[in-house]
Amino acid sequence: EVQLVESGGGLVQPGGSLRLSCAASGFTFSTSSMHWVRQAPGKGLEWVAYIKPDGGDKYYVDSVKGRFTISRDNAKNSLYLQMNSLRAEDTAVYYCARGKDYSWGQGTLVTVSS
Amino acid sequence: DVVMTQSPLSLPVTLGQPASISCRSSQSLVYSDGNTYLSWFQQRPGQSPRRLIYKVSNRDSGVPDRFSGSGSGTDFTLKISRVEAEDVGVYYCLQTTHWPRTFGQGTKVEIK
Repeated sequence: EVQLVESGGGLVQPGGSLRLSCAASGFTFSTSSMHWVRQAPGKGLEWVAYIKPDGGDKYYVDSVKGRFTISRDNAKNSLYLQMNSLRAEDTAVYYCARGKDYSWGQGTLVTVSS
Repeated sequence: DVVMTQSPLSLPVTLGQPASISCRSSQSLVYSDGNTYLSWFQQRPGQSPRRLIYKVSNRDSGVPDRFSGSGSGTDFTLKISRVEAEDVGVYYCLQTTHWPRTFGQGTKVEIK
C-alpha cells in the first residue's frame, strides 16, 4: 500500500524559511516522480513543484520560483520542499503526491503570519 | 499557463439522480504522444484528494463505475450516473499535458 507522510509544517513569520518532508513507503520511491501540491484554507488545489525520479528535472509554479526548492533522497525514500522568503499567501496545507497516480499524503499545514 | 475552467462551481443534486461537471482548458490538452492528459479528482470533506479518472476516461482502481469521464481537445466532462451520499465533496480537473500543471477551481457537489 502506498503511504506518503508529510511533516515539517508549522507557524513561520513572513520572510522566514521552512523545510517540508515527505516519507514514502509501499512502492519503489527511486523510480517514481513526485509532486508537491498545496491548498490554501477553504480554497482549491494548486500544483507547486515536480521532480523526476533521479532528481535531474524539476518544475515549479511561477509564484514559488526562486523561493522554493524541491529535492529528494532516494536512499531515504524521502521528498523535500525547502521554502524560503515565505509570504502570507503561501499559507496552505501542503501535500506530496506520487507522479504515477497522484496518490496523496494527509498533508502538513504551513501558516505564514506575524 | 493553461487555464482550467470548471462549471458549475456548485452542484446541488438529488440522491439517485445524475450529475455532470464540465472542465474546459484554454489550450488543447493533446500531448505530442497522442494522449490527452486530463484527470479528475474527488476531495471529500476533511480528506485528501483522490484521483478518479486519468487520461480523460480511464477509471482508477476501486472507483465505482457510476463515475465516467469523456471529452477531447479542450472540452471535458465528469459524469456521475446516480449520485450517492458518499459522492458529496469537491471535484477538480487537472491537466498534466503542459507545464505548469493546473487544476480547475473545483465544483462542490452537495445533496439537495
